[in-house]
Amino acid sequence: NAGVTQTPKFQVLKTGQSMTLQCAQDMNHEYMSWYRQDPGMGLRLIHYSVGAGITDQGEVPNGYNVSRSTTEDFPLRLLSAAPSQTSVYFCASSRGQGGHQPQHFGDGTRLSIL
Amino acid sequence: SQQGEEDPQALSIQEGENATMNCSYKTSINNLQWYRQNSGRGLVHLILIRSNEREKHSGRLRVTLDTSKKSSSLLITASRAADTASYFCATDPQGGSEKLVFGKGTKLTVNP
Repeated sequence: NAGVTQTPKFQVLKTGQSMTLQCAQDMNHEYMSWYRQDPGMGLRLIHYSVGAGITDQGEVPNGYNVSRSTTEDFPLRLLSAAPSQTSVYFCASSRGQGGHQPQHFGDGTRLSIL
Repeated sequence: SQQGEEDPQALSIQEGENATMNCSYKTSINNLQWYRQNSGRGLVHLILIRSNEREKHSGRLRVTLDTSKKSSSLLITASRAADTASYFCATDPQGGSEKLVFGKGTKLTVNP
């Protein structure tokens, strides 16, 4: 099993560009989430999904969009990239309710906005 | 906002010594989890301890939870250079919010 796979691993964008960060899991997990990790800030929740067709906002959702059309995939879209979105982005998945279960993380996408 | 706060922010020890990291949180929880993050990698789950549990062990790891003080500790015994990583606590606040809230982490360096 591959677990949680994130692509790309690195990306450089110009301000105003849009892009999609991909996340796929092969564990049939209902719960998926996106976090961003900034120096000294720990991980902050952007969006999460409790199943296909259901998404909700986390702590820092502004500037990001998500959809969950399948159980396996949970892409994160940056609508108009800003330098403040320079960060490392992690996707995670788990069985059942997100907070109640161990999370499986991908290795992250390192994103720089110029 | 951050729920858990780890202490210390950084810890440097020699191989073979024990490492203790603490986590304090603000609101009542369903469970508390500890994760490890090696440099440049994603987080890896270590232990989940539920609010009605006081202590759990996994190999060289020992986690305690004191809900009256809203605090938890992670003890790594007989540390190895390979234990060098950042360690995060994450809380599942009561209220059914489906959100796991992470602290800022403790950076552990184990010197050979």
